Amino acid sequence: GESVGLHLPTLSVQEGDNSIINCAYSNSASDYFIWYKQESGKGPQFIIDIRSNMDKRQGQRVTVLLNKTVKHLSLQIAATQPGDSAVYFCAENGGGGSNYKLTFGKGTLLTVNP
Amino acid sequence: GAGVSQSPSNKVTEKGKDVELRCDPISGHTALYWYRQSLGQGLEFLIYFQGNSAPDKSGLPSDRFSAERTGGSVSTLTIQRTQQEDSAVYLCASSLVLSGQAGGKTQYFGPGTRLLVL
Repeated sequence: GESVGLHLPTLSVQEGDNSIINCAYSNSASDYFIWYKQESGKGPQFIIDIRSNMDKRQGQRVTVLLNKTVKHLSLQIAATQPGDSAVYFCAENGGGGSNYKLTFGKGTLLTVNP
Repeated sequence: GAGVSQSPSNKVTEKGKDVELRCDPISGHTALYWYRQSLGQGLEFLIYFQGNSAPDKSGLPSDRFSAERTGGSVSTLTIQRTQQEDSAVYLCASSLVLSGQAGGKTQYFGPGTRLLVL
């Protein structure tokens, strides 16, 4: 079946550095991707999304890059702060206006060292 | 409300007991979803609602699991005769719409109910 996976299960960075979290997907029909942040004991929090007709989208301190050629998605966090420490999930929507399901990757644990 | 809310936040029960988990979606969101997350794992899709109907129940792990939604708003996930393997965080999400424009399908999550079956 189609799946979404992550290259790195854990990432440790120094405060102030930039972080890059990667995600690979296998469904070429996926047309919508979302990054979620989940802090310990909380539900996933929406960070940023991107449609398949785009290859880059920027938010506040975050940028999502989409490479459809190699089916790769990444989340870049600028000037990483201790409050960014969390598990980050990518999720993909399988395509088609009526496809409701989001398929989640297993997550990457980001640890920010002060 | 401002966000998705879930209750209880924590539930400890004995094996064999029934539990009910509640979800209040964001006001105006027509679609509602239930997920399960085991410790250190990703999210396992359980069921979704469009309005009060649940067209696809194939994600429910067994017939001990059921869910309903009334008035196009509040949803309840019921687990009958709980087993220890049911212990997990149960997450609810809602989205403005089920299909159509990508942005409307963005799912917003509640804080979850942590279920522990002893």
